[in-house]
Amino acid sequence: EPEVTQTPSHQVTQMGQEVILRCVPISNHLYFYWYRQILGQKVEFLVSFYNNEISEKSEIFDDQFSVERPDGSNFTLKIRSTKLEDSAMYFCASSERPGTGGNEQFFGPGTRLTVL
Amino acid sequence: AQSVTQLGSHVSVSEGALVLLRCNYSSSVPPYLFWYVQYPNQGLQLLLKYTSAATLVKGINGFEAEFKKSETSFHLTKPSAHMSDAAEYFCAVSGSSFGDMRFGAGTRLTVKP
Repeated sequence: EPEVTQTPSHQVTQMGQEVILRCVPISNHLYFYWYRQILGQKVEFLVSFYNNEISEKSEIFDDQFSVERPDGSNFTLKIRSTKLEDSAMYFCASSERPGTGGNEQFFGPGTRLTVL
Repeated sequence: AQSVTQLGSHVSVSEGALVLLRCNYSSSVPPYLFWYVQYPNQGLQLLLKYTSAATLVKGINGFEAEFKKSETSFHLTKPSAHMSDAAEYFCAVSGSSFGDMRFGAGTRLTVKP
C-alpha cells in the first residue's frame, strides 16, 4: 500500500543550525502539508503546498521556515536557524485532492527534531 | 475558526470492555470531522471521517463515531477493546480553508489484559 515516508526519523542539531526535513509523498498526490507536534501538545498545522507554491500557512510558519519540492518526488521543510522551541515531531502529509471538503490526508511517520 | 477538544488525555479500559473517546468540536461552518490513530513510532492513520453523508460513521478496526450536532460532539466508540487498540487517538476538524486540519490534544488509550 502506498505510504508517505519521512527521513530522517530523528534529527539532532545545535541551536542556530539549519535543518532540512525530507518527505516523499504518495506518488499521485498533488497536495502536501507539514504539521508539527511539540511533546505533550497538539498536532499543529504549519503549511500546505500545491502546484509548487504555498497555498496556506499558519502563524507558526514564519520566515525561518521554507518548503520546497525540488524534484518530482521529494517535499522538504527547511528551518533556517533552529531554536530550542523548534524541538518537536514534524509530520508530512499528502492528499490526492485538497484537504478541505473532508478529503483524507495521509501522514508520514514523522521526524523527531531535537535542538540542543 | 474550527477547533476540537478531546476530553481525557488518558483512557484505560480492560480487554473486552467498551471504548469511549470523547471529542467536541467548534465550527462556524458545517464541519468535516476525523479520527486518527497513532501507533508507537508510526504516522497518523485515518480511522474514520464524517462528511455529512451519515451521522453514524463506521471506520476501520471496529471503531465507529456518531456526529451529534445538538451536542457538538463526535465521540469514538468500540464495543469491545483489544490489546492491539492501545495507541494515541486524535480527533481533528477540517474547515473551509485549503487544508488547515485542526487536531485535538490526543487521548492515549491503554488496554489492560
